[in-house]
Amino acid sequence: SQKIEQNSEALNIQEGKTATLTCNYTNYSPAYLQWYRQDPGRGPVFLLLIRENEKEKRKERLKVTFDTTLKQSLFHITASQPADSATYLCALADYGGATNKLIFGTGTLLAVQP
Amino acid sequence: GAGVSQSPSNKVTEKGKDVELRCDPISGHTALYWYRQSLGQGLEFLIYFQGNSAPDKSGLPSDRFSAERTGGSVSTLTIQRTQQEDSAVYLCASSLVSGAGSNQPQHFGDGTRLSIL
Repeated sequence: SQKIEQNSEALNIQEGKTATLTCNYTNYSPAYLQWYRQDPGRGPVFLLLIRENEKEKRKERLKVTFDTTLKQSLFHITASQPADSATYLCALADYGGATNKLIFGTGTLLAVQP
Repeated sequence: GAGVSQSPSNKVTEKGKDVELRCDPISGHTALYWYRQSLGQGLEFLIYFQGNSAPDKSGLPSDRFSAERTGGSVSTLTIQRTQQEDSAVYLCASSLVSGAGSNQPQHFGDGTRLSIL
């Protein structure tokens, strides 16, 4: 079955630097991959979606890359701010059945220091 | 409010009791999902409803768990004879669906924090 690996250790960076988070998957390459942000006590919030035929996707200070050869997606936040501190989850579509459920990684906690 | 609404936000109950968790999805969203998130863990898929199709129950951990979606809108997740290991945050999400292999984002509620004493 598909497995997703995200850095379980927290990522600490200084304000203004670029944060880079990694998402690796183990089996088949999904048709698309999604990134979510989760704040404590809240549900995840959708950020970006990238398709398998897209190498890169940008939205304001966010950039996502998708390398199906490496089975990896990188999530970048440029000019990071303390308000970017949160847990970031990647998710892949699971086509094992006839439904469109997502498989989520455990997330990486990002802490941006002022 | 246009978002996904879940109730109650917190539930504390004794082991062995039954609990019902409610999810009110975004109007017009035909897909509805339930997940469970234990402390420090990722989201564990439980069940998925899509329109009038039979739900995908493949993630339900035991026959003590059940869910229904009435009228294609509100959903209720029921846990019977609760156990301490059922303690977790139960999250509901809804989405639009655009054909097979939907790539629509999921919109989450803030969950129900369930504590079994």
